[in-house]
Amino acid sequence: EVQLLQPGAEVKKPGESLKISCKSSGYDFTTYWIAWVRQMPGKGLEWMGIIYPGDSDVRYGPSFQGLVTISADKSINTAYLQWRSLKSSDTAIYFCARRGVGSGRLDYWGQGTLVTVSS
Amino acid sequence: DIQMTQSPSSLSASVGDRVTITCQARQDISNFLNWYQQKPGKAPKLLIYDASNLETGVPSRFSGSGSGTDFSFTISSLQPEDIATYYCQQYDNLFLTFGPGTKVDI
Repeated sequence: EVQLLQPGAEVKKPGESLKISCKSSGYDFTTYWIAWVRQMPGKGLEWMGIIYPGDSDVRYGPSFQGLVTISADKSINTAYLQWRSLKSSDTAIYFCARRGVGSGRLDYWGQGTLVTVSS
Repeated sequence: DIQMTQSPSSLSASVGDRVTITCQARQDISNFLNWYQQKPGKAPKLLIYDASNLETGVPSRFSGSGSGTDFSFTISSLQPEDIATYYCQQYDNLFLTFGPGTKVDI
């Protein structure tokens, strides 16, 4: 069974750094792209970027380039989303999702990590 | 990036009604269009991929059509469990864009 496991919540202060994880199981982690999607409170879905864990090839959405870092560790089947200096506007739910082979569909999703940035 | 619009932004219908949502792309995206359902507090769920293909396990009352710039998503007979927000999503090689969403309630 394909599963993407994310921590439920993180609480941070403005200016702090954060790295959230997405641990995959049930499939070959190195042969599927993993995407990150942001959902701000009460808002829609925004695609942030995507990584191919097999060779760590990464692409970022225009709104997120330079603001976050996407990485992966194929030895432990885990993808990451990282911030160097959080702002209150980073408060949101962050989902990871697997991109299906030969398609742009996101066929399996993590349950999301709620990141709260508040002083 | 390719911008997507959806209409309506919200709708209210009765159980058993036929519900249709439209999605428009700013440029030709062939059939590279997917539809998702998101219930409150949950992750999105893939329903339709490549404009008209039903994802495995999804009820047949859900369907999609269209190509180029204009797409539609239909629930043939609305059920109480279909209360959710629906998003279209295009893909241009590795780059994705979501529509703004349509909230469906009863």
